[in-house]
Amino acid sequence: TQLLEQSPQFLSIQEGENLTVYCNSSSVFSSLQWYRQEPGEGPVLLVTVVTGGEVKKLKRLTFQFGDARKDSSLHITAAQPGDTGLYLCAANLDSSNTGKLIFGQGTTLQVKP
Amino acid sequence: DTAVSQTPKYLVTQMGNDKSIKCEQNLGHDTMYWYKQDSKKFLKIMFSYNNKELIINETVPNRFSPKSPDKAHLNLHINSLELGDSAVYFCASSQHGQLLSGNTIYFGEGSWLTVV
Repeated sequence: TQLLEQSPQFLSIQEGENLTVYCNSSSVFSSLQWYRQEPGEGPVLLVTVVTGGEVKKLKRLTFQFGDARKDSSLHITAAQPGDTGLYLCAANLDSSNTGKLIFGQGTTLQVKP
Repeated sequence: DTAVSQTPKYLVTQMGNDKSIKCEQNLGHDTMYWYKQDSKKFLKIMFSYNNKELIINETVPNRFSPKSPDKAHLNLHINSLELGDSAVYFCASSQHGQLLSGNTIYFGEGSWLTVV
């Protein structure tokens, strides 16, 4: 059973389109992170959200943490080919907030020029 | 300078062999990790060490033995390799084990292990 469900798993869009990736769980998270992983590289942290209802922006990326801290979304505005990659959500389900991250299965995004 | 570096990047070996993957971080972090990413890109924690002390062991087979000679190094030794061990292994580090307050996990570039 996947603790963190990401959707969609694959997304292929044209440059300039908008998209949203979802990360859902039945569990409450103490924090949630989004990573981007490019081919041949390790995941790179994009953002950490901690407070229910929190919204963070990183240029054209908007991250939202659900009010109940069970879900999150990543919205990309006017996607560019450089946004192509694997997007991973990860949550800390451990109340002691250790580095034991649980990852979603990832969303592979392809942005075509 | 690469913050978290691991070697080798690619490793092809036969079933039954023993192999090691080395990891070093030059960030002065206290906590290091090993994660495994399977063919479906699913990333799962294996081990975590804080100041050379094991703090997370996620029911990994005991053929996998991490070793931390000092807090800047966390090596992974695998005995009697099996086909199912084929995956990408990521080393990572963070300032400490607490993930709130902007404490970031930095991942290495991965080691591609193929067991034939």
